[in-house]
Amino acid sequence: NAGVTQTPKFRILKIGQSMTLQCAQDMNHNYMYWYRQDPGMGLKLIYYSVGAGITDKGEVPNGYNVSRSTTEDFPLRLELAAPSQTSVYFCASSYIIGWDRGRQQRYYGYTFGSGTRLTVV
Amino acid sequence: AQSVTQLDSQVPVFEEAPVELRCNYSSSVSVYLFWYVQYPNQGLQLLLKYLSGSTLVKGINGFEAEFNKSQTSFHLRKPSVHISDTAEYFCAVSEGYGGSQGNLIFGKGTKLSVKP
Repeated sequence: NAGVTQTPKFRILKIGQSMTLQCAQDMNHNYMYWYRQDPGMGLKLIYYSVGAGITDKGEVPNGYNVSRSTTEDFPLRLELAAPSQTSVYFCASSYIIGWDRGRQQRYYGYTFGSGTRLTVV
Repeated sequence: AQSVTQLDSQVPVFEEAPVELRCNYSSSVSVYLFWYVQYPNQGLQLLLKYLSGSTLVKGINGFEAEFNKSQTSFHLRKPSVHISDTAEYFCAVSEGYGGSQGNLIFGKGTKLSVKP
């Protein structure tokens, strides 16, 4: 069981280049997420997906695109890299960890990948 | 809209001293609360979580946190820290599951540095 796997771990891009950050999970989780982490800013949600074929914008989606053709994979695409996209990117998926009787809903935990450190120069 | 405030960006402390990392949240509904730890050049690891029930939550590595609904706080504590606890700690909140409600909202992080 590999969990959430992100590739590559490091990448340097030139301004205007494009690339795809890969994310794969083998746990059959429906929900997947992409976050970026900048120093002193915490993690901000870029995009998320509630299942294959369904994606939605998070807090900071500009300059990125995603697709979710399978349950396992959730790639993040940068079309025209800019220095402002220099960051560490984390992919995550969520899973059921229990049942909240009070709110009558399932609640979930999250598994994070190890991150991709991207530098745009 | 949800938000998370970590009141201290950096917390220096001596080894074996107690520590408290503060976290406040805002939300119009009941929430689920999490603390994550990130060691240098590594990913995020779950320390503990509050989902329901007892407001005092115990996590890994001797950490615990207390959910205080009236003060909308979820402070993280450890009675005696070690050098190995040096890391960045993130508080996060989720309103539930389904659509955007399941998304984690993170605070900006608190860097804990433990000195000998």
